[in-house]
Amino acid sequence: DAGITQSPRHKVTETGTPVTLRCHQTENHRYMYWYRQDPGHGLRLIHYSYGVKDTDKGEVSDGYSVSRSKTEDFLLTLESATSSQTSVYFCAISEVTGLAGGVEQFFGPGTRLTVL
Amino acid sequence: LAKTTQPISMDSYEGQEVNITCSHNNIATNDYITWYQQFPSQGPRFIIQGYKTKVTNEVASLFIPADRKSSTLSLPRVSLSDTAVYYCLVGNQGGKLIFGQGTELSVKP
Repeated sequence: DAGITQSPRHKVTETGTPVTLRCHQTENHRYMYWYRQDPGHGLRLIHYSYGVKDTDKGEVSDGYSVSRSKTEDFLLTLESATSSQTSVYFCAISEVTGLAGGVEQFFGPGTRLTVL
Repeated sequence: LAKTTQPISMDSYEGQEVNITCSHNNIATNDYITWYQQFPSQGPRFIIQGYKTKVTNEVASLFIPADRKSSTLSLPRVSLSDTAVYYCLVGNQGGKLIFGQGTELSVKP
């Protein structure tokens, strides 16, 4: 299995508090992603990174910020958590496979966040 | 961005072959088609990837017609342990990779 860890694995917090989730990889992959998954929904992309200090928005980026100061770490911050951000958050990493650009993503175990 | 459309759910019985089709009408020339499997409380796991024609590995086959506007994941002789959600993803180069709604496959004895 790809070396991806997420911390914390579970967190309960209150509305209005800041929260930071960490994704750490040992694979030296270039690309990193944050997704959220809610009951009955697929995965929705929040933000992604294509290199150190290089990030871009995904489908549902409002209320979230990210930072990547080194290859192995990708941080997701909820500046002021709301109940609508209660979700399971998955981190993923990827690297281009072969010469033509195919991509295989590897996912972390997920972080279950509850905002009361 | 290439949007994907899959059936929301499918039922099957053990031992049957299951085919899940994904539509991606606006796939780009350099996009690959990738399928993932997800069990409850776990992250998705890579199953198979292709660009055109047919790809086969130890767990599945992927059929892609010449126009590449759709693809079909084929699971031979499914078992109860294949009950999961299957996602079709279209993209390349580690860019903005967007998942669709996924297909919830239920395999019955």
